[in-house]
Parts: sequence; C-alpha cells; structure tokens
Amino acid sequence: QKEVEQNSGPLSVPEGAIASLNCTYSDRGSQSFFWYRQYSGKSPELIMSIYSNGDKEDGRFTAQLNKASQYVSLLIRDSQPSDSATYLCAALTSGGSYIPTFGRGTSLIVHP
Amino acid sequence: ETGVTQSPTHLIKTRGQQVTLRCSSQSGHNTVSWYQQALGQGPQFIFQYYREEENGRGNFPPRFSGLQFPNYSSELNVNALELDDSALYLCASSLPGGSKVNSPLHFGNGTRLTVT
Repeated sequence: QKEVEQNSGPLSVPEGAIASLNCTYSDRGSQSFFWYRQYSGKSPELIMSIYSNGDKEDGRFTAQLNKASQYVSLLIRDSQPSDSATYLCAALTSGGSYIPTFGRGTSLIVHP
Repeated sequence: ETGVTQSPTHLIKTRGQQVTLRCSSQSGHNTVSWYQQALGQGPQFIFQYYREEENGRGNFPPRFSGLQFPNYSSELNVNALELDDSALYLCASSLPGGSKVNSPLHFGNGTRLTVT
C-alpha cells in the first residue's frame, strides 16, 4: 500500500523563525511531490511542487527532495502568523492512473 | 479562468439516506478526482474520472459512486449513508496525468457533509 507519512504536530515556531516540515513516502515509483496548505475549514491550496532531487525555492518556501531516502521537506523562512495552517504532503506515482496520495498533514503554529 | 466549484457547501443528512454532491472543474481541466477528508486527517482518495470514465478508485465501498459529464463536471453519489461518512468532500480537477505527469490538483472549497 502506498503511504505518505507526516508528523501531525503541532509544530510551534516563533515569528521570524524557519519552520521545517517533513514527509516520507513508501512508493519508490513516486515521481512528483506537492505541498499543500490548508487553513482550518478550508480546502487545500497548492504552494509548492518538486520533481527532481535537490532544492526548489519559491519566495519564502523551499522544497527539498531526496528520492534515495524517500524524503520530502518544506522549509518556510521568516515564518509569519499567517503561515499557521496544516501542511499536506502529496506524492504522485507514475504508471496507470496518476493519483496523488496525501499524508495526514502537519499542523504549524507560528506565534508572535 | 474559472476555478473548481462545488455544491452544496454544507449538507445534513440522516443515516440511510442518499446524497449527491456536485463539482465543476477548472477551465481546461478534464480530469476530476474526489477525496474524503475526515477531521484531523489527510484527504483520502475516492475515485478519479477522465473523459467520463472512472480512471482509478480508492478503498471505498460500492455505495460511493460517481459520474463525469461531457463538460467535465462531476457528481459524487453516496447511498445508504453511515455516520462515518460525515466529512469534508473535496473535488479536485487537473490536467490528465498521461500527458502531464506533474499536473497538480486544484481543489474546490469542499462540501461539508454531516450524517446524523
């Protein structure tokens, strides 16, 4: 069974700090990875995607992928209270249907 | 560009009843996926439709069924509702994976279903 694992948290960081969110996946066939942010009571919104080993930066967000270790992470620099949300990691496996599998999400709290 | 829209936003049903949830996909997207998200959990894949055909199904019983129409809109039907069906139901559209493996999902605002 294809699984995506995340620590449910909550992860609490002070405003201005770096928040580090981690995710592991079980299916070595996974090729594409996505990070979604979900505010309480709202639907997930895509914030980052990554397909190749290494780092990908977009503003205050950096996604990191290590396929050998089956590990994906999201770094949020200069964390703001508005970043407080649940962050969902999703892995997309090739072959057949392209259906993302989601982790349970990590709750992030950025306190002033 | 029109985003993914879902209706209704909230719904209360009684155990044993049937429900239909609706979704209009984002402009240009012909693949629709449905997810169930229980409180405190990640979205669980129900099924996906591409060109009006079911293109994959998660571990949900047959009382969960769906349709996709020629305009790519979709319905999720749930028969014989159970208390555990209470959840946020999310519809997401995307470009077909066969031609664009990196296509992410774009979610609608969801339908909050409560079964009493």
